[in-house]
Amino acid sequence: AQKITQTQPGMFVQEKEAVTLDCTYDTSDQSYGLFWYKQPSSGEMIFLIYQGSYDEQNATEGRYSLNFQKARKSANLVISASQLGDSAMYFCAMSYTGRRALTFGSGTRLQVQP
Amino acid sequence: NAGVTQTPKFQVLKTGQSMTLQCAQDMNHNSMYWYRQDPGMGLRLIYYSASEGTTDKGEVPNGYNVSRLNKREFSLRLESAAPSQTSVYFCASSGTPERYQPQHFGDGTRLSIL
Repeated sequence: AQKITQTQPGMFVQEKEAVTLDCTYDTSDQSYGLFWYKQPSSGEMIFLIYQGSYDEQNATEGRYSLNFQKARKSANLVISASQLGDSAMYFCAMSYTGRRALTFGSGTRLQVQP
Repeated sequence: NAGVTQTPKFQVLKTGQSMTLQCAQDMNHNSMYWYRQDPGMGLRLIYYSASEGTTDKGEVPNGYNVSRLNKREFSLRLESAAPSQTSVYFCASSGTPERYQPQHFGDGTRLSIL
């Protein structure tokens, strides 16, 4: 079965430092997409970044980058220069052939400390 | 830029009552989704709709019905609410092909069943 695993329930980082949030996935599909979403305490789901399984370069969006290691089946989110507003839950999610909806991990709560 | 709009934002029901959660998107997306989010968990798919007039069950469809009224609107109905349906409900939409497109979420409906 397809599965997303986020092994870090909570993380702390100092303001202005970089942080890596882990995500591993399990699929036998060759064609799939990996997504990261941010959920602040206000509750909305905010799309951050996407990586396709055939993309050779790691995706980047501003301060967010996705460290995609296909052989290891990992898709870690790297946030550079953390800001207080980055404090939130972060969810890794996957889509694949035959399932149009997203499969979500259980999330990582990031707290940025001044 | 409304995006995905959900109503209501909050609702309290008594066991056995019925209600309909409304969702509308203005991004001309074909695909729409209903998820639920329980404490400490990622989102789980309730129902999915690839286009007007079509719906498919997700992981947790029991106790729910849906209607894809037109391209814009996708409603979720609880016919006889149960305490186990206390959750936060999210509607989302995406372009196609779905596995390469981010899903855009509404702000959620916080539903409590007493």
